[in-house]
Amino acid sequence: DSGVTQTPKHLITATGQRVTLRCSPRSGDLSVYWYQQSLDQGLQFLIQYYNGEERAKGNILERFSAQQFPDLHSELNLSSLELGDSALYFCASSALARGGTDTQYFGPGTRLTVL
Amino acid sequence: LAKTTQPISMDSYEGQEVNITCSHNNIATNDYITWYQQFPSQGPRFIIQGYKTKVTNEVASLFIPADRKSSTLSLPRVSLSDTAVYYCLVGGPASGGSYIPTFGRGTSLIVHP
Repeated sequence: DSGVTQTPKHLITATGQRVTLRCSPRSGDLSVYWYQQSLDQGLQFLIQYYNGEERAKGNILERFSAQQFPDLHSELNLSSLELGDSALYFCASSALARGGTDTQYFGPGTRLTVL
Repeated sequence: LAKTTQPISMDSYEGQEVNITCSHNNIATNDYITWYQQFPSQGPRFIIQGYKTKVTNEVASLFIPADRKSSTLSLPRVSLSDTAVYYCLVGGPASGGSYIPTFGRGTSLIVHP
């Protein structure tokens, strides 16, 4: 158990809908990362927040947005969902924002299925 | 951003030592090398991190030659439970800038009985 929690575990929804994925980092960690993993794309970095501020942005679509709240939990909002958004979404946390020297601790993931 | 290259897949047998090599020819002076392990439908898990020479912990060793253009993750006496995907990441302190973690496709290790 990494100490990172994600809810829900599974989510099934229809095209065009909007969903919110939630992540609680390990106690004391200030940095949260979001990743998308699909069979054909591998593990893709989406976005990172550090202590409430956006720190790094990867290949995140404009239909997706995220935020980190004062209690350090984070939410990833996915809107106008398409079939291709079906994937596993992972959240990870690290103590600080030291870039490549940080150890990231991953949550169990949320499996999103768009029908 | 240092690009990494790993073999797509490897096969081994229980009890053998497995070495997975990652190439990172344009590694920067301040970059560290980190390896993660991922089981199906689970999040990646940190295995080991190093900067130069050799690092060892309870599950693996990491060998980094003097030029640091490659690194080798060594798993001693693998078991069936070591069947997983292994990722090599390279990156340094982000001081002021932003670090984009690049996991790539990793190396799929299959351990046979």
